[in-house]
Amino acid sequence: DTGVSQDPRHKITKRGQNVTFRCDPISEHNRLYWYRQTLGQGPEFLTYFQNEAQLEKSRLLSDRFSAERPKGSFSTLEIQRTEQGDSAMYLCASSLFVSVIAKNIQYFGAGTRLSVL
Amino acid sequence: QQQVKQSPQSLIVQKGGISIINCAYENTAFDYFPWYQQFPGKGPALLIAIRPDVSEKKEGRFTISFNKSAKQFSLHIMDSQPGDSATYFCAASEAGTASKLTFGTGTRLQVTL
Repeated sequence: DTGVSQDPRHKITKRGQNVTFRCDPISEHNRLYWYRQTLGQGPEFLTYFQNEAQLEKSRLLSDRFSAERPKGSFSTLEIQRTEQGDSAMYLCASSLFVSVIAKNIQYFGAGTRLSVL
Repeated sequence: QQQVKQSPQSLIVQKGGISIINCAYENTAFDYFPWYQQFPGKGPALLIAIRPDVSEKKEGRFTISFNKSAKQFSLHIMDSQPGDSATYFCAASEAGTASKLTFGTGTRLQVTL
């Protein structure tokens, strides 16, 4: 399978615990995005990387959230001291960015569903 | 602050009918408008997209109509099929496709036999 892969698919945790999610993008893609989707809503942008550089972070991304893409390949999203409001689907997407005028289609993974009890 | 408003929230269409989903945006810097389709348990997948220099784009049974002055765009699904039953999201981004996507709230489409 050469699509975007996310692990785990489901995570149940207790409030206050730390969790980490992993995203493996499509192999040649240089951009990687994280979005959060709550029930009945569209995905909301959290952050994105070009190679290993984190280029933009949303105001939604509190200081309890941290994302890394250490070698420009896979990425991790960590949530510290989880709260019930963090319960959501966390989606990862990747794209091949060549230039502003070229197509830069974002391909999404199936997501990690987080439930905070 | 919801920058892309989508309606209706849900839609039931008979097989062979036309499904129409509408979106409106506020940010005049948006210049790329894709539609994504999402099946249960899957991530969103790009269906069709348009830039504001054209008023309509058609790909098979799917058509985007775009009205720049009204800041509105819509998805038309012709000859709707049960396999089209899914949640559809409109989205928008600045700087073409080179930026983050801002999504609408989604429309759950059910195509009945």
